[in-house]
Amino acid sequence: DSGVTQTPKHLITATGQRVTLRCSPRSGDLSVYWYQQSLDQGLQFLIQYYNGEERAKGNILERFSAQQFPDLHSELNLSSLELGDSALYFCASSVAGGLRDTQYFGPGTRLTVL
Amino acid sequence: GESVGLHLPTLSVQEGDNSIINCAYSNSASDYFIWYKQESGKGPQFIIDIRSNMDKRQGQRVTVLLNKTVKHLSLQIAATQPGDSAVYFCAENIGDTGRRALTFGSGTRLQVQP
Repeated sequence: DSGVTQTPKHLITATGQRVTLRCSPRSGDLSVYWYQQSLDQGLQFLIQYYNGEERAKGNILERFSAQQFPDLHSELNLSSLELGDSALYFCASSVAGGLRDTQYFGPGTRLTVL
Repeated sequence: GESVGLHLPTLSVQEGDNSIINCAYSNSASDYFIWYKQESGKGPQFIIDIRSNMDKRQGQRVTVLLNKTVKHLSLQIAATQPGDSAVYFCAENIGDTGRRALTFGSGTRLQVQP
């Protein structure tokens, strides 16, 4: 158990809908990262937050957004969902978001878009 | 659990043998490398890391070797056990303050035969 929690574990929804994925980092970690894992793309970095502020952006679509709240939990919002958005979404956290801080991953949320 | 990367390269070894998993990276500016293990239905789990100023680093039953000349990274697992069966990813982090996320390789599936 990494100490990172994610909810829900599974999510099934329809195209065009909007969902919110939630992540709580390890106690004491200030930085949160979101990754998408699909069968054909592997693990892709989406976005990083540090202490409530966006720090880095990766291959995140405009239909997706995220935020980190004062209690340091983070939410990833996915809207206008498409079939291709079906994937595992992982949250990771690290102490300070530094280049060499170890990232600890949560168990993931499996999103299925029908 | 779910299968990750159904078409991943697979390494099959006998229990008790040593395993070597290889990874090639492309960016010569990468200065920090990590190996993650992902079991079916779980998030990636940190195994070991190495900085670019080192050639070798050892952990418990695992050794990471870095050859910067040919941009190659390997993970050696001694006395492989059935519990080592998983998908293994190498990840790199470029020493660029504007990019703080990990870039993951496509992964290798390790199957340990009893």
